[in-house]
Amino acid sequence: QVQLVQSGAEVKKPGASVKVSCKTSGFTFTGYYMHWVRQAPGQGLEWMGRITPNSGVTNYAQKFQGRVTMTRDTSISTAYMELSSLTSDDTAVYYCARLSPPITYWGQGTLVTVSS
Amino acid sequence: EIVLTQSPGTLSLSPGERATLSCRASQSISSSYLAWYQHKPGQAPRVLIYGASNRATGIPDRFSGSGSGTDFTLTISRLEPEDFAVYYCQQYGSSPPYTFGQGTKLEIK
Repeated sequence: QVQLVQSGAEVKKPGASVKVSCKTSGFTFTGYYMHWVRQAPGQGLEWMGRITPNSGVTNYAQKFQGRVTMTRDTSISTAYMELSSLTSDDTAVYYCARLSPPITYWGQGTLVTVSS
Repeated sequence: EIVLTQSPGTLSLSPGERATLSCRASQSISSSYLAWYQHKPGQAPRVLIYGASNRATGIPDRFSGSGSGTDFTLTISRLEPEDFAVYYCQQYGSSPPYTFGQGTKLEIK
C-alpha cells in the first residue's frame, strides 16, 4: 500500500535551517509530483511547493521563494524539503503529500518548532 | 497567483441542518481543478469533492459541490456529528501554485 513516512520532530533556533524527509513506498516514486504543505498552529493549510521526482524540477509558492529547497533521491524514493532562515512564524506541522484529487496520500506530518 | 477566499470563517450549526460553504477565486479557474477537503485534528486532510462537483470514493451523498469560474460551493445537506471539522477548497490546475483557501470551521451550535 502507498505510504509516506516523514522524519521526526525538530526544534530549531531562529535563523537556522531544517530539512524534513519523506520516504515513500507502494508506488512508482518518479511517476507523481510530491507536494509539501504546512499548517501553523491555529492556521490553515498552506501549499509550499512541489517537486517532479523524475526531473527534479521544482515549483515553489511565491511566499517561500528563496527560502525553500525541495530535492529528491530517486534511489531511495525519498523527497526532502529544506527551509532556511527560520523564524517563529515557521513553527508548523509540515506534510509531504501526493496530491492528485481524488487520490491523495499524506505523510504523518513533521512538527518543526522554532524557538530561542 | 490565484487567491481562494472562503466564507464564512466559522459556521455554527446543529446536526440535521444544512451547511453551505463558499469558495471564491481571485480569477477564473477551471472547474476540473477545484477540490474540497475535510480536515480533522490529528488526521490527514480527506478529499471530499474533486473537479468542483465529483464526490470522491466513499464520500456520502449528503456532500455535494457546485460552481464554476470564480464561485464554488460545498453543501452538506444534513449534518451528521462527524461532519464538524474544518473544510478547505484548493485549486490544483495545470500550473502551480496549488493554493488552499483559508478554511471554514464548521462547529456544533
